[in-house]
Amino acid sequence: NAGVTQTPKFRILKIGQSMTLQCTQDMNHNYMYWYRQDPGMGLKLIYYSVGAGITDKGEVPNGYNVSRSTTEDFPLRLELAAPSQTSVYFCASSYSQGRGEQFFGPGTRLTVL
Amino acid sequence: AQKVTQAQTEISVVEKEDVTLDCVYETRDTTYYLFWYKQPPSGELVFLIRRNSFDEQNEISGRYSWNFQKSTSSFNFTITASQVVDSAVYFCALSEGMDSSYKLIFGSGTRLLVRP
Repeated sequence: NAGVTQTPKFRILKIGQSMTLQCTQDMNHNYMYWYRQDPGMGLKLIYYSVGAGITDKGEVPNGYNVSRSTTEDFPLRLELAAPSQTSVYFCASSYSQGRGEQFFGPGTRLTVL
Repeated sequence: AQKVTQAQTEISVVEKEDVTLDCVYETRDTTYYLFWYKQPPSGELVFLIRRNSFDEQNEISGRYSWNFQKSTSSFNFTITASQVVDSAVYFCALSEGMDSSYKLIFGSGTRLLVRP
């Protein structure tokens, strides 16, 4: 099992550009999440999904969009990148039963200049 | 409102010292889950422990131990005989039972530096 994989690992964007952060899990988890981690801070939830075709906003959704067409994939789209979106982005997944731990990907470090 | 507070921003100890990382949480739910994650310098998040609100038994795993006290809404983490490899940022997190998303609410983390 590869677990949760994210691409790219690093990216520099110019203000106004768009990009998609990819996230894939091979554990057949229904629940998937996108968090962002700003320097010196904990993680904040951007969007989440409880299954294919179902997504919902988290605490800080503005400037982002997601889709969930398959169980495995949960891409995060940044439209019109802004410096405030400079952060490390983590994708995570978990089982739907038992409130177990979330499994995190390695993160994507994004800088918007 | 739900909240997790890790008041210790940074702790520095000398190797072999014991160290306790504090975590205080707020929730209105009677059913909830508490977690600790470790984030080493490489940046990934490593799961350490999960505890539900009905189980107040303390847990020990090797040099790690956790003290869960509902009366003070705390879930503290102790490392005994710390080692340099324990240097990392440690996050406490809360998941509320009534929240069907199962999302985690993170504290701001405590950076632990273990000096040789």
